[in-house]
Amino acid sequence: EVQLVESGGGLVQPGRSLRLSCAVSGFTFDDYGMHWVRQVPGKGLEWVSGISWNSGSIGYADSVKGRFIISRDNAKNSLYLQMSSLRPEDTALYYCAKDRGRYYGSGIGDWGQGTLVTVSS
Amino acid sequence: QSALTQPPSVSGSPGQSVTFSCTGTSSDVGSYNRVSWYRQPPGTAPKLMIYEVSNRPSGVPDRFSGSKSGKTASLTISGLQAEDEADYYCSSYSSSNTWVFGGGTRLTVL
Repeated sequence: EVQLVESGGGLVQPGRSLRLSCAVSGFTFDDYGMHWVRQVPGKGLEWVSGISWNSGSIGYADSVKGRFIISRDNAKNSLYLQMSSLRPEDTALYYCAKDRGRYYGSGIGDWGQGTLVTVSS
Repeated sequence: QSALTQPPSVSGSPGQSVTFSCTGTSSDVGSYNRVSWYRQPPGTAPKLMIYEVSNRPSGVPDRFSGSKSGKTASLTISGLQAEDEADYYCSSYSSSNTWVFGGGTRLTVL
């Protein structure tokens, strides 16, 4: 069974940084691309970033480009999202998600339960 | 990276069919067959219902079907059931090597 468990969320002040982690199990991590998707409570889904199986292909939404960095450690079966210069509009539930293919271009097949990030002074 | 356009709400009675639309541009839906649909009941994570326009993952009932014409993708649920009540989101791969979601459609089963 595919399991994606996010951690690292919490309350952070505007302008500060936060690192999210996603521990995966139930599949061969380095065979799949991965994503981060966020959702403001009560609102819609927003794709944040994607990374290929070998970190060779990475993409970001315009709203986070230059501030967020996605990475992965295949030896640790873990995905990360380093978030910097955080803004109140970054407040959301952040989902870790598994792509259906080796890159992040096949589409999300599985989702974690999310970790809540609140940016507020 | 503009969001795909979905109607805010759709409703139907048990046993009926409902169709959700998802309109994009020539940079996303119009250019790629990488359109997915997700169902999200309140308070839960999304679940994949359709991938690559019209393919159902294992375990998804054949009441769910997808199609695409030009820049608009569609999801149809036939034989509507109370448990289908949820928010439904479409997503598409985009030429900027990114993904874009629709704003979501809330399905109400009357």
